[in-house]
Amino acid sequence: DVKVTQSSRYLVKRTGEKVFLECVQDMDHENMFWYRQDPGLGLRLIYFSYDVKMKEKGDIPEGYSVSREKKERFSLILESASTNQTSMYLCASSLEGFYGYTFGSGTRLTVV
Amino acid sequence: RKEVEQDPGPFNVPEGATVAFNCTYSNSASQSFFWYRQDCRKEPKLLMSVYSSGNEDGRFTAQLNRASQYISLLIRDSKLSDSATYLCVVPISNDYKLSFGAGTTVTVRA
Repeated sequence: DVKVTQSSRYLVKRTGEKVFLECVQDMDHENMFWYRQDPGLGLRLIYFSYDVKMKEKGDIPEGYSVSREKKERFSLILESASTNQTSMYLCASSLEGFYGYTFGSGTRLTVV
Repeated sequence: RKEVEQDPGPFNVPEGATVAFNCTYSNSASQSFFWYRQDCRKEPKLLMSVYSSGNEDGRFTAQLNRASQYISLLIRDSKLSDSATYLCVVPISNDYKLSFGAGTTVTVRA
């Protein structure tokens, strides 16, 4: 089974802090994605990457950046956390395009 | 218009009942569709894929209506364990991105 592991299940950070969310997958998948999920809004794509050192903006990239130095690891960075970034963050990976997405268990981030 | 729209529910049904709900999509060029299941405070997991007119997997049936641009999910003989939020998912154009509906919540009661 593909495993996508997110480093933290719950996180509480202060406004203005720089926050790192880590995601690691163990099946040599090319594509990795970061989403946030908010009630009533569904999942919204923040950034995705289809290769090492490659990144593409999703629908809501403002306030975020990403890093993919190794194929298995895709990091989401909140440059200066704000309260409106309180959300559930989900990482996903896929072998080929949008087929066979596998999600990590999510990180529930609260910014106070 | 949102790319994917779902009736949020909740659909509250007794065990053994049949429940069905729809999802509409705006991209008429979409060729494949997915239903994901998400349990409370858990990650979404793929339930079924729909590539042609529909798909059936045990008690779950997905049907696609391209003319009206909607897909439906039908659950027969509902079990308590079917209680979850069901996400309708549609690829965006030809790249790697998926568009997720906000989900339909189903609660099956004893």
